[in-house]
Amino acid sequence: QKEVEQDPGPLSVPEGAIVSLNCTYSNSAFQYFMWYRQYSRKGPELLMYTYSSGNKEDGRFTAQVDKSSKYISLFIRDSQPSDSATYLCAMSEPGAQKLVFGQGTRLTINP
Amino acid sequence: GAGVSQSPSNKVTEKGKDVELRCDPISGHTALYWYRQSLGQGLEFLIYFQGNSAPDKSGLPSDRFSAERTGGSVSTLTIQRTQQEDSAVYLCASSPLIGSGTQYFGPGTRLLVL
Repeated sequence: QKEVEQDPGPLSVPEGAIVSLNCTYSNSAFQYFMWYRQYSRKGPELLMYTYSSGNKEDGRFTAQVDKSSKYISLFIRDSQPSDSATYLCAMSEPGAQKLVFGQGTRLTINP
Repeated sequence: GAGVSQSPSNKVTEKGKDVELRCDPISGHTALYWYRQSLGQGLEFLIYFQGNSAPDKSGLPSDRFSAERTGGSVSTLTIQRTQQEDSAVYLCASSPLIGSGTQYFGPGTRLLVL
């Protein structure tokens, strides 16, 4: 079993819809949680960064962490075609240097 | 300022040949990471450098893989006697802080071993 599980999709939704992306994990020591966005043939770009449990909002993006369920989510409101990309969750333990990534979910927003 | 740069952007090689991949981190970033991304897979950690400390090589898949970082800046990842299963995108990232999670990625080198 992988440390971080993420549905690879693909996920296709109409423009303006609310998108929900999720990851589950097995390592209870993870404290730092991130979402990266990766456009085709580009490197991953950090979208959201959360420490421990709770919610964080940035514009149309909201990240949620539920440590009791070992479950993290990324919500995209008023989705745009420019949001079409692969979304990767990543997490790490305190003091650890490496990030552990999910497989990535490929998202397409249809105009 | 400039982001993380990697070269070459694409590399095609024959099985058994050696390849060198280069990474130029963001100026002033003390931490440098190498990851591998295979088709349909998430990123797999390979190696980590922090300042003058010994690198964390725990993610290197075999002894054919090695990396060095000269002068605390540029890094080179070397794969000896390449195999077809080495075909992947090799991504480099740098970070200004230890353990902050804020890693900034380069565009990657796409390696194809024929």
